[in-house]
Amino acid sequence: GNSVTQMEGPVTLSEEAFLTINCTYTATGYPSLFWYVQYPGEGLQLLLKATKADDKGSNKGFEATYRKETTSFHLEKGSVQVSDSAVYFCALRGSYIPTFGRGTSLIVHP
Amino acid sequence: DTEVTQTPKHLVMGMTNKKSLKCEQHMGHRAMYWYKQKAKKPPELMFVYSYEKLSINESVPSRFSPECPNSSLLNLHLHALQPEDSALYLCASSLRDRDSYNEQFFGPGTRLTVL
Repeated sequence: GNSVTQMEGPVTLSEEAFLTINCTYTATGYPSLFWYVQYPGEGLQLLLKATKADDKGSNKGFEATYRKETTSFHLEKGSVQVSDSAVYFCALRGSYIPTFGRGTSLIVHP
Repeated sequence: DTEVTQTPKHLVMGMTNKKSLKCEQHMGHRAMYWYKQKAKKPPELMFVYSYEKLSINESVPSRFSPECPNSSLLNLHLHALQPEDSALYLCASSLRDRDSYNEQFFGPGTRLTVL
């Protein structure tokens, strides 16, 4: 079956630091990959997505590249802000049931 | 309108109560989902509706009863819940259920507490 593995958090950074949150997956076929963000007390919001190998998704300074050879979709941001503090979920969708990773909490200090 | 709305935002109920959660979207999406999310965990899929018909029930106890009255509305009827059912209940929608490349749009959730 499909699965998504995310690095365990929390990830704690100072403002303006570089962010990487690792995500690897196992899937049959050609899944689409997503990053969702959940701020405290809210639902999940799509951050970015990539639907085929070598695609790069980007939004609000965040980027992730669909790497089929390493089955990875790592999330990166060059300079984090306090407002980026949230839980980030990597997800894949190969059939019609999405599979979510465990989530990684990001805490950014001023 | 790219929004999924959920009511109520918070709900406290006793184990003998009957209550309902409501979800609405006006994006023309034909797939709608109910998820349960416990603290510090990913969402767990409960039900999927496709074109107003129940297509997936992830072995959810019968005290949870979903209903899709039309293509914009999704309800979750609750009866005789247990304290361990306390969680954030998220509704989501997507264009269709079998398109792997379409993202889901999530509502803000209903925070349910069962006493």
